[in-house]
Amino acid sequence: QVQLVESGGGVALPGRSLRLSCAASGFTVGRYPMLWVRQAPGKGLDWVAFISYDGSIENYADSVKGRFTISRDTSKGALLLQMSSLGVDDTAVYFCARVKWDVIRSDHYYYGVDVWGPGTTVIVSS
Amino acid sequence: DIQLTQSPSFLSASVGDRVTITCRASQDISSYLAWYQQKPGKAPNLLIYAASNLQPGVPSRFTGSGSGTEFTLIISSLQPEDFATYYCQHLNLYQFTFGPGTKVDIQ
Repeated sequence: QVQLVESGGGVALPGRSLRLSCAASGFTVGRYPMLWVRQAPGKGLDWVAFISYDGSIENYADSVKGRFTISRDTSKGALLLQMSSLGVDDTAVYFCARVKWDVIRSDHYYYGVDVWGPGTTVIVSS
Repeated sequence: DIQLTQSPSFLSASVGDRVTITCRASQDISSYLAWYQQKPGKAPNLLIYAASNLQPGVPSRFTGSGSGTEFTLIISSLQPEDFATYYCQHLNLYQFTFGPGTKVDIQ
């Protein structure tokens, strides 16, 4: 069964760091582009970070650039998000997500997120 | 960066109604648009990808259309389980922007 399960959420003080993990099962993390998406309380969805299927490309939303780092541990089938210099605006549910994609004549096409984890809650508060 | 807007932000409807939600992009995004349904406390669920392709397992009452800058999600006959918030998303290598969402509530 294809599944994603996040862990590592919790309460952090402003300025501190936190690391989120996402365990994948039923598919190989190293064969899919992956995303972290977050949702602040009562708000909409915001993408946070992207990593390409081979790990060679990382992209970040402006709001987290320079503070968050996405990575993978393909040997463990895990997606990671290292978050530093946390602020209260980082309070959210964080979802790990698999991107539906295709390669056509060497061009990569991203179609949507077809697998989501249930989310892990991060609260930044003093 | 490409921005997405959705209209309406909120709509009230009854079971059996036909519901139309629009998503507009700030520039031409071809057909690189997805639609999601999200219920409270749950992760989103992919409904439509590449603007008009129904994700396997999604009921056929959901239809997506459009290209360029204007896209539409239609629910042909609203069912009780369809009361939720709907989001559009544009995907490319550099951004994966979501629209602000449309909440569909019971009239």
